[in-house]
Amino acid sequence: DGGITQSPKYLFRKEGQNVTLSCEQNLNHDAMYWYRQDPGQGLRLIYYSQIVNDFQKGDIAEGYSVSREKKESFPLTVTSAQKNPTAFYLCASSIEGATGDTQYFGPGTRLTVL
Amino acid sequence: SQKIEQNSEALNIQEGKTATLTCNYTNYSPAYLQWYRQDPGRGPVFLLLIRENEKEKRKERLKVTFDTTLKQSLFHITASQPADSATYLCALVAAGNKLTFGGGTRVLVKP
Repeated sequence: DGGITQSPKYLFRKEGQNVTLSCEQNLNHDAMYWYRQDPGQGLRLIYYSQIVNDFQKGDIAEGYSVSREKKESFPLTVTSAQKNPTAFYLCASSIEGATGDTQYFGPGTRLTVL
Repeated sequence: SQKIEQNSEALNIQEGKTATLTCNYTNYSPAYLQWYRQDPGRGPVFLLLIRENEKEKRKERLKVTFDTTLKQSLFHITASQPADSATYLCALVAAGNKLTFGGGTRVLVKP
């Protein structure tokens, strides 16, 4: 899991509530990413940020929001607009966000909507 | 449409044998291809990267090949051990550093 922490490991939320997932890295990496993983499926990119105060939508950004106010932190908010939020959420970082950079993943947060 | 396909069926293999996993892709021109290992409930861990102009890459008991004509990468685990049991994900790097992942193949090495 390297120097990336995600909290909490398990999260339960009632339908209609927003929830924020934490991601912190101490690797001094410029780029950070959020992925969603559903059972038996690959990772799908939600949002990514290559520099502080800047971020771009990934393939499935609807119903999610992010901020990148500090280099170390990239929190993800799952809003009530996300129709099917139950999933395993993974945060990652890479040195520069350049092509071919290895991505380092956190341990993940499993979100369950009750 | 763009697709990355890995065998969704689990690969059961006897300890000591070679496990071979396949990653096929369509409508991509990847500059790089990466392989990751993921254990249950954990984040993926990077294993190997191979560039489009490289045919083969090795790391200890792991070997990756990349055939841009066939649009395929093969991932080999030689002398497999029960500790190799995990899901293995391939990921393509095309534009920028956006990785696109396959669905993964679960490997189970039996003693």
